[in-house]
Parts: sequence; C-alpha cells; structure tokens
Amino acid sequence: KAGVTQTPRYLIKTRGQQVTLSCSPISGHRSVSWYQQTPGQGLQFLFEYFSETQRNKGNFPGRFSGRQFSNSRSEMNVSTLELGDSALYLCASSSGGASTGELFFGEGSRLTVL
Amino acid sequence: AQSVTQLGSHVSVSEGALVLLRCNYSSSVPPYLFWYVQYPNQGLQLLLKYTSAATLVKGINGFEAEFKKSETSFHLTKPSAHMSDAAEYFCAVKGTSGGSYIPTFGRGTSLIVHP
Repeated sequence: KAGVTQTPRYLIKTRGQQVTLSCSPISGHRSVSWYQQTPGQGLQFLFEYFSETQRNKGNFPGRFSGRQFSNSRSEMNVSTLELGDSALYLCASSSGGASTGELFFGEGSRLTVL
Repeated sequence: AQSVTQLGSHVSVSEGALVLLRCNYSSSVPPYLFWYVQYPNQGLQLLLKYTSAATLVKGINGFEAEFKKSETSFHLTKPSAHMSDAAEYFCAVKGTSGGSYIPTFGRGTSLIVHP
C-alpha cells in the first residue's frame, strides 16, 4: 500500500511569490490535514479536509488556503510569501472517521523563502 | 481544550541505557494519546497509541508507554537505547468529544544517543 506522497519535496521561492503544494493520501483515506513545522513554533495545524470539505482550520492568515479533490488528493496554497513562511509543510492522511485514528504523514515539502 | 507538555527539548543517553521521554497532557475528556517519531528529513511515524484498552501500551522498535490518569502522564520508555533511536519524538493528544479529529502535538523532544 503506497504511503502519503507530497510534491515537491524541496522548493525555493522569493518574497511575494505564491506556492502550491500537493498531497496524495493513502488509498481509501478521506481525511487530509496539513501542518507547518518550524524550529521555533514546532508543529502547527493549518487545516483539515474531509470529503472535499474543510472540517477544521488552524490559526493562520488567509494567505494560507487549501482544497481537496474528489479523489481525496489535496493541495495547499500560500500567496504573497513572507520570509517567515520558510518551513517544512507536512501532510497527513487518515480514515477520518474514528477519533482514535492515527495520522499517516508524508515526508513533507521543505519551502525556503528568500 | 487540550494541551501537551513534553519536558526537555533534548534528552541525551548512552547506547544501551534506559530511554525516558516525558509527556504530560491536559484534556477535559478522557483522551487518546499518541507518540510519533520523526527521523531527519522525514515525516512523522506512529510509535504507539493509547485508546483506553490497556494502560501499558507497546509500540514499535521496543518502545512502550504507560498511561497514568492520576498524573496525567504518558511517558515513553525503552529499556536499551540504540544509535538508530536518535530522532525527534512527539507526544500528541486527541480529545474524544467536540467533533475535533485533530491532535494537539507537543513541542517535541530530540533524543541523542552517544556510543
């Protein structure tokens, strides 16, 4: 069974640009959540999608957005990039039903903003 | 509201020594608790989870954790550290009510293993 796939793995952007990150969940998983990981703030929850609907949202500005497609693949977009957006962005999938369900993480997309 | 506190951002042990990583949680309802491990340049991987079936939970790679309600703790242990255990470890709590399926993660503890 293939794991969670995130693309691209590494990318470099400049301030003011925008970026789109992609996540393909494990087959059959309907929930996809996104996290920002930085040395200073740790793992911070961005948002969660379940069956194409945003079910939960973290405390991030509107520059951060996401969506989920009918095949459960998800994308997140960051517009007007700032230096502070440099981070490892992690995607996780789960079956989404039971609260006991574990999260399966991808390897992340490392974004550097210059 | 739920929260997780991991005591010690870095823990250093010698190879073969006991590993103890501390996690205390706060939750208004009986929680589900998780330990994840992250190796360099990788995502997080589940080590073990507590879902109220048993207070002592065994996970992968020889790790185990004990749920202690009176102490609101879920410390991670391993009897004998290996060099390959060097990684970042995250404790997470997920409430069982309120409709939230999102866990809250601790800040992480970096385990350093000396030869």
